[in-house]
Amino acid sequence: RKEVEQDPGPFNVPEGATVAFNCTYSNSASQSFFWYRQDCRKEPKLLMSVYSSGNEDGRFTAQLNRASQYISLLIRDSKLSDSATYLCVVNAASGTYKYIFGTGTRLKVLA
Amino acid sequence: DTEVTQTPKHLVMGMTNKKSLKCEQHMGHRAMYWYKQKAKKPPELMFVYSYEKLSINESVPSRFSPECPNSSLLNLHLHALQPEDSALYLCASSPTYSDEQYFGPGTRLTVT
Repeated sequence: RKEVEQDPGPFNVPEGATVAFNCTYSNSASQSFFWYRQDCRKEPKLLMSVYSSGNEDGRFTAQLNRASQYISLLIRDSKLSDSATYLCVVNAASGTYKYIFGTGTRLKVLA
Repeated sequence: DTEVTQTPKHLVMGMTNKKSLKCEQHMGHRAMYWYKQKAKKPPELMFVYSYEKLSINESVPSRFSPECPNSSLLNLHLHALQPEDSALYLCASSPTYSDEQYFGPGTRLTVT
């Protein structure tokens, strides 16, 4: 089983749609969770950190489920500019500098 | 300001050349990272410096040599690379362990 797993997609959705991505992680000792977006041939950019209580930033909502060891990202009212690859990132264990990246989920928002 | 800068943006080098990649951050972050990313793959960790000391080397070949001259600067020295080393090299920094990382724009390296 991979340490961090994501559905690679692609997810093709119309503008205005709501789309959700899940990411599962295998190490129950992981403490920090993040979503990054990466545009083609660009660097990953931090989208949001994921906290136990969940967090929301505009159209984006992230949730953490420790019992089932997954995190989710919900994008509401999708825009064309949301088209990108979304990377789930988990720290390997508490107190470590090692981060594990999922393979990424490709999203394409269609006009 | 959450900026990490990297130079050069692009680099083409022969297999016998020696070159260096440079990364800089002025956010006071104490951890700095080198990643390698191939097309359609996630970034792969190469090295981590924490408090200017090498804390992680992910079994990277010795033709890649990292250096951290001070808390704001990170270099990656390249020597005798192979064509399969062609990739996007990303630098990142974080305040400390388990914190969010901020990535630089990367250096796109081609080895001929």
